[in-house]
Amino acid sequence: NAGVTQTPKFRILKIGQSMTLQCTQDMNHNYMYWYRQDPGMGLKLIYYSVGAGITDKGEVPNGYNVSRSTTEDFPLRLELAAPSQTSVYFCASSDRNYNEQFFGPGTRLTVL
Amino acid sequence: QKEVEQDPGPLSVPEGAIVSLNCTYSNSAFQYFMWYRQYSRKGPELLMYTYSSGNKEDGRFTAQVDKSSKYISLFIRDSQPSDSATYLCATVLGDMRFGAGTRLTVKP
Repeated sequence: NAGVTQTPKFRILKIGQSMTLQCTQDMNHNYMYWYRQDPGMGLKLIYYSVGAGITDKGEVPNGYNVSRSTTEDFPLRLELAAPSQTSVYFCASSDRNYNEQFFGPGTRLTVL
Repeated sequence: QKEVEQDPGPLSVPEGAIVSLNCTYSNSAFQYFMWYRQYSRKGPELLMYTYSSGNKEDGRFTAQVDKSSKYISLFIRDSQPSDSATYLCATVLGDMRFGAGTRLTVKP
């Protein structure tokens, strides 16, 4: 099993550009999550999904969008990149909301 | 007040030392407590998971939860350079709430 995979590993965007961060898991988990991690700030939940077709906002959803058309995939969309979105983005999955979350390797995004 | 407070450190100890990492939380409804370890430029991975008050031991690691004082701790015995990482406490109420993480360096 590959677990949780994320692409790309690194990306530099210009202000106003858009991009999609890809996340795929092969553990048949219903729950999937997107976090951002800023230095000294821990992990902040952006969006989460409890199953295909169901998504909900987390703590910091502004400037982002998600979709969940399959159990395996949970892409995160940035529409108008801003410098404040410079961060490391982690995707995670779990079989229940109170169980262990399995994290991907992260995407380092810089917006200039 | 943040829901989960954690001293970000950094913390530096010599090899073989006992390490104590701590978090406090504000909501007594939290029931599940976890410690994640995150190596540099990697995603977090679960280290310890506990549900109730008391101690849970796994090798050199001991997780301790005191629900009366809303305090959770992770102890590392005989610390090794390979323990150098950031340690994040976490708890679940609906969604998971993470502490800021404590960066630990164990020097040979």
